[in-house]
Amino acid sequence: DTGVSQDPRHKITKRGQNVTFRCDPISEHNRLYWYRQTLGQGPEFLTYFQNEAQLEKSRLLSDRFSAERPKGSFSTLEIQRTEQGDSAMYLCASRTAAGTGADTFGSGTRLTVV
Amino acid sequence: RKEVEQDPGPFNVPEGATVAFNCTYSNSASQSFFWYRQDCRKEPKLLMSVYSSGNEDGRFTAQLNRASQYISLLIRDSKLSDSATYLCVVPDNYGQNFVFGPGTRLSVLP
Repeated sequence: DTGVSQDPRHKITKRGQNVTFRCDPISEHNRLYWYRQTLGQGPEFLTYFQNEAQLEKSRLLSDRFSAERPKGSFSTLEIQRTEQGDSAMYLCASRTAAGTGADTFGSGTRLTVV
Repeated sequence: RKEVEQDPGPFNVPEGATVAFNCTYSNSASQSFFWYRQDCRKEPKLLMSVYSSGNEDGRFTAQLNRASQYISLLIRDSKLSDSATYLCVVPDNYGQNFVFGPGTRLSVLP
């Protein structure tokens, strides 16, 4: 386990379709974060998990977005009824439970909604 | 005041130049700060943490000014490979999570 892995790397979907992304964090990291990044901006926080518990959601996370981390290991982010405005890079990051350390990011999933 | 602000740049500097970026933050109780580097179409990668006493890693120096609530990153003897976007990371206003700045783009020119 050398880092955070995300799948798929790229996803092109038609407007209105549902998409699901997966993130496998560094195994000893209890905290897992989802961010969204658009061109020219820094990553924007979406939600995070401490083990399997989802502790916070950003207001950016509309009801079309849902995230799970059922066993406290990998996580999925689902977007239902995708819109063109959902096109972005979706980044997953993990860190230790202490919470003061820095995030280690995965390579991201680039979503294009056409 | 916004949680975090950065000069968007771009900064275009010749090789060998010294360049500095600042990042202001609003949470006066903040303790942990970081600088990340992001190459085009890649994920952010941790460059260095920012300690209250300031810290140096080779050509890179990070400093914290609590009174004025900003952190800085100084790059000396810049290389072509330093061309990237530099993101500052500070605690959010609730101190629960981190907020990324919009990034400062640096281009080092031959």
